Amino acid sequence: NAGVTQTPKFRILKIGQSMTLQCAQDMNHNYMYWYRQDPGMGLKLIYYSVGAGITDKGEVPNGYNVSRSTTEDFPLRLELAAPSQTSVYFCASTGTGPGEQYFGPGTRLTVT
Amino acid sequence: DAKTTQPPSMDCAEGRAANLPCNHSTISGNEYVYWYRQIHSQGPQYIIHGLKNNETNEMASLIITEDRKSSTLILPHATLRDTAVYYCIVRGTYNAGNMLTFGGGTRLMVKP
Repeated sequence: NAGVTQTPKFRILKIGQSMTLQCAQDMNHNYMYWYRQDPGMGLKLIYYSVGAGITDKGEVPNGYNVSRSTTEDFPLRLELAAPSQTSVYFCASTGTGPGEQYFGPGTRLTVT
Repeated sequence: DAKTTQPPSMDCAEGRAANLPCNHSTISGNEYVYWYRQIHSQGPQYIIHGLKNNETNEMASLIITEDRKSSTLILPHATLRDTAVYYCIVRGTYNAGNMLTFGGGTRLMVKP
């Protein structure tokens, strides 16, 4: 199993550009998540999904969009990038019940 | 989900046990205690979780007080590779999205 994979690892965007952060998992997990982590801070939940076709907002959803057309993939879309979106983005997944969340390696995004 | 309180930083000598405390005084009966760690800028890594009883796995032990208002994560023989930020998280079974809420964590520095 590859677990949770994220692409790209690094990206620099200009203000106003758009991009999609890719996330995929091969564990057949229903639940998937996007977090962002600013320097020296804990992770904050952006969006999550409890299954294909179902998504919901987390704590900091403004400026982002998600979709979940398959169980495996959960892309995060940034429209009109702003410097405040400079952060490290982590994708995670988990199955049902009280088990662990599995995290991807992260995407480091800089908006200048 | 109940909030947690952790010391911002701790030091530990290599080879000694590292005892990381966590206060969760408002925890309710169906809420689990989870521990994750984040080494440098990698994705968080699951360590252990428990409900009422003490738990042990190959990485660590989790001691939960009888009233469940606090817990301690024990790394029995800390190594330099255990230097990381450790997050204590409380999550309830009624949490429909199986979401985790990260606080600031404890930055553990293992010293030679």
